[in-house]
Amino acid sequence: AQSVSQHNHHVILSEAASLELGCNYSYGGTVNLFWYVQYPGQHLQLLLKYFSGDPLVKGIKGFEAEFIKSKFSFNLRKPSVQWSDTAEYFCAVNVYNQGGKLIFGQGTELSVKP
Amino acid sequence: GAVVSQHPSRVICKSGTSVKIECRSLDFQATTMFWYRQFPKQSLMLMATSNEGSKATYEQGVEKDKFLINHASLTLSTLTVTSAHPEDSSFYICSASNRETQYFGPGTRLLVL
Repeated sequence: AQSVSQHNHHVILSEAASLELGCNYSYGGTVNLFWYVQYPGQHLQLLLKYFSGDPLVKGIKGFEAEFIKSKFSFNLRKPSVQWSDTAEYFCAVNVYNQGGKLIFGQGTELSVKP
Repeated sequence: GAVVSQHPSRVICKSGTSVKIECRSLDFQATTMFWYRQFPKQSLMLMATSNEGSKATYEQGVEKDKFLINHASLTLSTLTVTSAHPEDSSFYICSASNRETQYFGPGTRLLVL
């Protein structure tokens, strides 16, 4: 069965530190990849997505992610985090021809200390 | 664009009663909507896929007679929790699909007493 794995359960950083959240998926076929963010008390928002083309995708709020097909990875990065980035981050994979279903990772809680 | 609303945002009900949750795509039409449960500090668990004009597809382990889904139009899907019990208390989230991307509603907090 397809699965998505996020390596870090809880990450704590100071403001201005660089961020990288890992995401790996297990599926050899065509996939679409997503990162969603859930700020405290708010709903999931799309940060960025990859369907095809340039494997380095840029999203909102200075986030970017790189799709490395050979590693089945789609890691999220931000050069300098802010306190307002404190949130839960979810990686998700949409498997081609599976009716649009998303398979979510376990989520990574990011805490940024001011 | 791509805004999804849910109603109600919170509901408290007595055990044995039924609760209906609405999910609407406000600025786009969605052939497909999805329903999830989210437990505290956990990821989203897909319950079912709702397709406009046809029966919903339920994930393994989800009771279709308990969680009734209706997708009456391209902008509205409803989830009815029938004969609710305390173990059904949870955060229910819907999403609507637009061009292969899911956009999420704000969720409905259900508490069954």
